[in-house]
Amino acid sequence: QVQLQQSGPGLVKPSQTLSLTCAISGDSVSSGSVVWNWIRQSPSRGLEWLGRTYYRSKWYSDYAVSVKSRITINADTSKNHFSLQLNSVTPEDTAVYYCASSVVSTSGANWFDPWGQGTLVTVSS
Amino acid sequence: DIQMTQSPSSLSASVGDRVTITCRASQSISSYLNWYQQKPGKAPNLLIYAASSLQSGVPSRFSGSGSGTEFTLTITSLQPEDFATYYCQQSYSTSFTFGPGTNVDIK
Repeated sequence: QVQLQQSGPGLVKPSQTLSLTCAISGDSVSSGSVVWNWIRQSPSRGLEWLGRTYYRSKWYSDYAVSVKSRITINADTSKNHFSLQLNSVTPEDTAVYYCASSVVSTSGANWFDPWGQGTLVTVSS
Repeated sequence: DIQMTQSPSSLSASVGDRVTITCRASQSISSYLNWYQQKPGKAPNLLIYAASSLQSGVPSRFSGSGSGTEFTLTITSLQPEDFATYYCQQSYSTSFTFGPGTNVDIK
């Protein structure tokens, strides 16, 4: 049973970098069958998928176009966690951030389960 | 990106009612459609994946149907713990997108 535990600051200043970590228990971040995602939720943008990382003989990352120039998602195998970095934040980046795992089925379908507990990140000076 | 819409945006219902929520995609997404339930202050919880497959542990009063561009989530005999917001999400395109949500509250 995979469980995800998020950590990171709840307040970030404008133009600085938002950094969050998602610790994994019950599986390995290097699992060849799981994908590790970051998703955020705000009243103005709803639920928004930000990106993912996964290991398939080597590491891959995919990002949403809306944040592609500012985002990095990577994994730390020694700590069995993955992290989100979002640069040059503005108040528009204020949201609840979630990590979530997904498994791609043989048909190519995938779904987010489970999710971390969520972290409210406020961008303000 | 594939745009997802939901209707209605909110509804009021009573315990025991049958509730149907519709999700539409801006292009065909085959059966790559998932449904989540979210309660205040909590993360979304997977209910249905691949349009009609019930996630383990989810009560059988929840069901999903549809393919292409139109999908439905049905709750037969609404229970007190079902009052929540429901979201659809497409996984046809890697740029995954969610619907705006349907809030189900008590009549």
